Amino acid sequence: DAGVIQSPRHEVTEMGQEVTLRCKPISGHNSLFWYRQTMMRGLELLIYFNNNVPIDDSGMPEDRFSAKMPNASFSTLKIQPSEPRDSAVYFCASSFGAGSDTDTQYFGPGTRLTVL
Amino acid sequence: EDQVTQSPEALRLQEGESSSLNCSYTVSGLRGLFWYRQDPGKGPEFLFTLYSAGEEKEKERLKATLTKKESFLHITAPKPEDSATYLCAVRGYSGGGADGLTFGKGTHLIIQP
Repeated sequence: DAGVIQSPRHEVTEMGQEVTLRCKPISGHNSLFWYRQTMMRGLELLIYFNNNVPIDDSGMPEDRFSAKMPNASFSTLKIQPSEPRDSAVYFCASSFGAGSDTDTQYFGPGTRLTVL
Repeated sequence: EDQVTQSPEALRLQEGESSSLNCSYTVSGLRGLFWYRQDPGKGPEFLFTLYSAGEEKEKERLKATLTKKESFLHITAPKPEDSATYLCAVRGYSGGGADGLTFGKGTHLIIQP
């Protein structure tokens, strides 16, 4: 299995531009999570989906952030407009889901976003 | 709100020098405590899940233990390849929605040859 796939691996953009991060979860996994990692705050959950449906987006910092999961094998996280404080590493993770206590999340390699 | 605090923030050991990393947590009903390893430029890699106080799990030179308030990751006779950041996370009944994880900031471990 290829694991969780994220693209691009690195993104450098200018303030005000739209940024789209992409994620392909592990085949057969029903839950998908988006996290953001910074030195100051560590890893924080932004939003997660079960069976393509957003379940909890309380971690999304503001309306500039949006996430979609149009099908079981693809999700996007969009920032519009981007700001320098959005600079971070964004991780996607997937799991079998179903709310089981034994459910394990597997992480992708991350996208390092730099907003100038 | 679930909270996880890891200590120390950084630890430098000589090869073969055993030590322990600490993870203190506050959670409204623990559904699982997770340890991950993260290498520079990579995503977290799953190591262990613990569910109840008294539980222990081992993998090579690593052993994780759990009490009602904290977890320890014991590293026995570490090698340079054990150098990484070790992350602790909890899944509770209220934090991160039903299934999300709340992470600590990690312990950056360096093993010197």
